[in-house]
This record gives sequence, C-alpha cells and structure tokens, in this order.
Amino acid sequence: ETGVTQTPRHLVMGMTNKKSLKCEQHLGHNAMYWYKQSAKKPLELMFVYNFKEQTENNSVPSRFSPECPNSSHLFLHLHTLQPEDSALYLCASSRHLKRATNQPQHFGDGTRLSIL
Amino acid sequence: GQNIDQPTEMTATEGAIVQINCTYQTSGFNGLFWYQQHAGEAPTFLSYNVLDGLEEKGRFSSFLSRSKGYSYLLLKELQMKDSASYLCAVNRGDDYKLSFGAGTTVTVRA
Repeated sequence: ETGVTQTPRHLVMGMTNKKSLKCEQHLGHNAMYWYKQSAKKPLELMFVYNFKEQTENNSVPSRFSPECPNSSHLFLHLHTLQPEDSALYLCASSRHLKRATNQPQHFGDGTRLSIL
Repeated sequence: GQNIDQPTEMTATEGAIVQINCTYQTSGFNGLFWYQQHAGEAPTFLSYNVLDGLEEKGRFSSFLSRSKGYSYLLLKELQMKDSASYLCAVNRGDDYKLSFGAGTTVTVRA
C-alpha cells in the first residue's frame, strides 16, 4: 500500500473509445504526476499538477487530457488512442513540487492499457 | 538531452552481493533517487543521495560521486524477493523534474 490508488488496474479499449484513468492519493501531497512506462524504456513524464494547477505538459498528444479537480485526485481522459499508446500509466504524488526536492515521489500500481 | 544509463539486466545468486551502476548527464543536479519496482507493482522509494559518499540502509546501500556523474546501488545478502527492476532517477533541480533510467532487472537465483 503506497497511499496512491489507481483504477482500473487493466484496461483494453478500441481506438475509437473514450475512457478515463483515475488516481487518488491519501498522503496529503500537493503535487501529482502522470507517467508513461513502456517496456525497456525510461519512465516518461506526461503531466504535472501542483496545487491543482497544471505546470507541465511534456509535449503529450491531445488525445490524452488530464484533469485535477483537487489535490487528492487526478484523471487522465483518453480519446482515439493509437496502438503505440499501449503501456503502463503510472500516477505519482509528492509533498511539494519545488521546495522539498529530497522528498520522493510515491507511485500507484499503474493502469495497464492495451489499445486494440 | 538528459542521459541516465544503467545496465538492462543482472543475475545473481541468493546470498550474494550485486552492484547496479548508474551514470548520468543532465542539465542540472539536485539529488539522485533509487526505486525498486516488482513486476506489476508501483515503484517504491529505496534511497536518496545528494552529497558524495555512501548511504547505508540495512542490506541496501547507495553511493554517489557528483564529479563523475555516477551512482551505484549495492544489494547485499540477496534474497529471492529482491528480484525486481531497479530504477535510477535524477532530480534535475533546475526544473524540479525527475529523469529516469530505463531500469535494471535483477534476477536472484537459488
């Protein structure tokens, strides 16, 4: 139990579907992140939110749309994805974006996404 | 660009010692993290180094040399449960983001 919960754990969808990934953290953190993890590749940072405000969009295609309604919840809305988007999507949180640089990010177990 | 390099795979025997090296070239530096990730699970925090030297935590130790852009994670008295992927991540400091290596898969054999 890391304090960061992601649902669903697995998702299979067609390229024309719309779905959402959900992340919830119970750690009282103020920063939240979405990462993409593909086999044998480094984690790719997608989006960063600090106190509900988006501070980073790392050149992510518009078919991925994040939403952060409050500091505890983060969503990733998916629409018309491509087969190359199949990957593990990890959510993470940390205490503060800039001040506590020695504080680790806490990760959820991820959503394994497969695009047919 | 940001380069974080670590070996892809390592195999060791139960009870042995394994050293996972990580070299980095990044635009800035404000500390290096090691994470452990078991298959199908979340990466979990192992260690943080920002000053040169060795940090010891039980069976796991982490070393940093900032002048060489080099770190290693040392796993002693290996146990089967240590079979996992180990991720090296650098806090670039200038923009607070973490840059990750691709991970080293360690397999512990009986």
